[in-house]
Amino acid sequence: EDKVVQSPLSLVVHEGDTVTLNCSYEVTNFRSLLWYKQEKKAPTFLFMLTSSGIEKKSGRLSSILDKKELFSILNITATQTGDSAVYLCAVGGNFGNEKLTFGTGTRLTIIP
Amino acid sequence: NAGVTQTPKFRVLKTGQSMTLLCAQDMNHEYMYWYRQDPGMGLRLIHYSVGEGTTAKGEVPDGYNVSRLKKQNFLLGLESAAPSQTSVYFCASRPRQGVGTGELFFGEGSRLTVL
Repeated sequence: EDKVVQSPLSLVVHEGDTVTLNCSYEVTNFRSLLWYKQEKKAPTFLFMLTSSGIEKKSGRLSSILDKKELFSILNITATQTGDSAVYLCAVGGNFGNEKLTFGTGTRLTIIP
Repeated sequence: NAGVTQTPKFRVLKTGQSMTLLCAQDMNHEYMYWYRQDPGMGLRLIHYSVGEGTTAKGEVPDGYNVSRLKKQNFLLGLESAAPSQTSVYFCASRPRQGVGTGELFFGEGSRLTVL
């Protein structure tokens, strides 16, 4: 059974701090790892990672994948109150395992 | 651009009643998914489909049935609703995977309450 574990479950930091969110996984026929941000409604896509060691970056957010150790991290620098959300990690398989399995998420709260 | 549309957005049911949630996507995606989201539980996969006429079970399929008679529609049915099925339901779709096409496109969610 595929498994995704995120840590920490919740995190409270002050505006301007840097945070690192973790995602470890076990999946059959790994294809991709995705990060989503969820505020009030549907999750919104952040990154998709398929190759080890290649950093994906978008503004203050960045993410990297380690396929040997089976984990990914999401970094947010110079946090702002608008970064407060639940961050979800999901892993996708292939070749007969096309489902996407999500972790329980990390609830990030930024204090002004 | 409609994207992924879920109906209804809200519904209150009594225990034992049945209902169907409809998901429609206009992006010609092959893969479609139904998830439920409960507080502190993340998104849990109920059923999914890799193409018209095919469905498969996810991690929490009990009490639900699905059908994918047309490529653009994925229906989630509750035959006899139970209070444990009170949740927010999300439908999502994505194209068949090539490199860089793993992103899920989500609907706005359907909040279901079973009394």
